[in-house]
Amino acid sequence: AQSVTQLDSQVPVFEEAPVELRCNYSSSVSVYLFWYVQYPNQGLQLLLKYLSGSTLVESINGFEAEFNKSQTSFHLRKPSVHISDTAEYFCAVNDGGTSYGKLTFGQGTILTVHP
Amino acid sequence: EAEVAQSPRYKITEKSQAVAFWCDPISGHATLYWYRQILGQGPELLVQFQDESVVDDSQLPKDRFSAERLKGVDSTLKIQPAELGDSAMYLCASSAATGTEAFFGQGTRLTVV
Repeated sequence: AQSVTQLDSQVPVFEEAPVELRCNYSSSVSVYLFWYVQYPNQGLQLLLKYLSGSTLVESINGFEAEFNKSQTSFHLRKPSVHISDTAEYFCAVNDGGTSYGKLTFGQGTILTVHP
Repeated sequence: EAEVAQSPRYKITEKSQAVAFWCDPISGHATLYWYRQILGQGPELLVQFQDESVVDDSQLPKDRFSAERLKGVDSTLKIQPAELGDSAMYLCASSAATGTEAFFGQGTRLTVV
């Protein structure tokens, strides 16, 4: 069975500082990888995804993640965070099949951006 | 913008009572998922539908949980009887046959007292 480990449960950071949220997965097969963001009492919103091709993927709001097959990692980064980035972030893996919503999630990382 | 609709947003129920949640996926999305998210944890898949058929319900506690999608459109998740440990956020998601991502609803926050 697949598993996803988010190495930090909470990450506090000051506004305009860089941030990295770490994600490692365990799978012996090809996978698809996702980062979702969740605001309090809201559903999940897709931030970015890796399906194939370039190992560096970017979101429209400045986040990026790099797929590293040898290290089975998919860390999320942003060079300069804003107060509005405060939320919980979930890394998720799919088994590479066509059911893209069939996901195994990590425990989540709460990102808190301080002024 | 199309979205996955869920109701109610919040539900408080007493243990041993029955409770039901409703989900209306994005129009045309054949695949529908129900997830449970316990506070402080990531979501866990409960059941997956393809049209009206259950594709995967291996993690659904079938002694008390049931899910249906009779016409292959909207879906209902039921718990009977509810237990204290069922307190969680229940999320519905849907995806299109040619899509590469799932879209989540706002969720139903269940509190069992």
